[in-house]
Amino acid sequence: SAELTQESSLSVALGQTVSITCQGGTLRDYFTSWYQQRPGQAPVLVMYGTKRRPSGIPDRFSGASVGGIVSLTITAAQVEDEAEYFCSSPDKSGNSVLFGGGTKLTVL
Amino acid sequence: QVQLEESGGGFVKPGGSLRLACVASGLVFRESYMAWVRQSAGRGPECISYISGNGEDIYYRESVKGRFTISRDNTNDSVFLEGSDLTVEDTAIYYCATVKWEGGVSFHSWGQGTVVNVSS
Repeated sequence: SAELTQESSLSVALGQTVSITCQGGTLRDYFTSWYQQRPGQAPVLVMYGTKRRPSGIPDRFSGASVGGIVSLTITAAQVEDEAEYFCSSPDKSGNSVLFGGGTKLTVL
Repeated sequence: QVQLEESGGGFVKPGGSLRLACVASGLVFRESYMAWVRQSAGRGPECISYISGNGEDIYYRESVKGRFTISRDNTNDSVFLEGSDLTVEDTAIYYCATVKWEGGVSFHSWGQGTVVNVSS
């Protein structure tokens, strides 16, 4: 598939753990990136190289890949983690970039 | 700390043109791939163009190929996006971003974006 598929929405209780998944595209061939976007703000990179956290991103964010399904896990979710999350990976050619449709995360 | 600041957005009539600019600081600009990523209301981002540090590697998304041109000025740490024959489908927030290729592609730093509204 040339698309990346994510859950459209998820919710998590404050302090609990949630995983957002990304499937399709070329996830088996390339590393995946994840972006957090709060309303009215620009996206922020929270994970790259599938498992690498940029400086300044809390260690409650982690990434994994199992069987071609990539996930972003937030352990002990905080109120400030409520946002939309997008996965991204190159397309088959390696030149273009695919983005998932986004997952709106609500922290209850 | 990398900072990116876009400018040039506004209202454009269908068939019109745009010229966006992004000024960067806090990075070795001439060594950095730069991209323009746009996002329409309620949709995910889409990378429409990127350019290598020396300007020799350029990509355009199919939907803008032949209508948009990316360029850069390494003397003034700036990257530009020119577009013509705009349609309502080009209405979006346009972000400038730094790009890294490391077994995948990631957009590490983003500007705050500039809004382009194509409307009659």
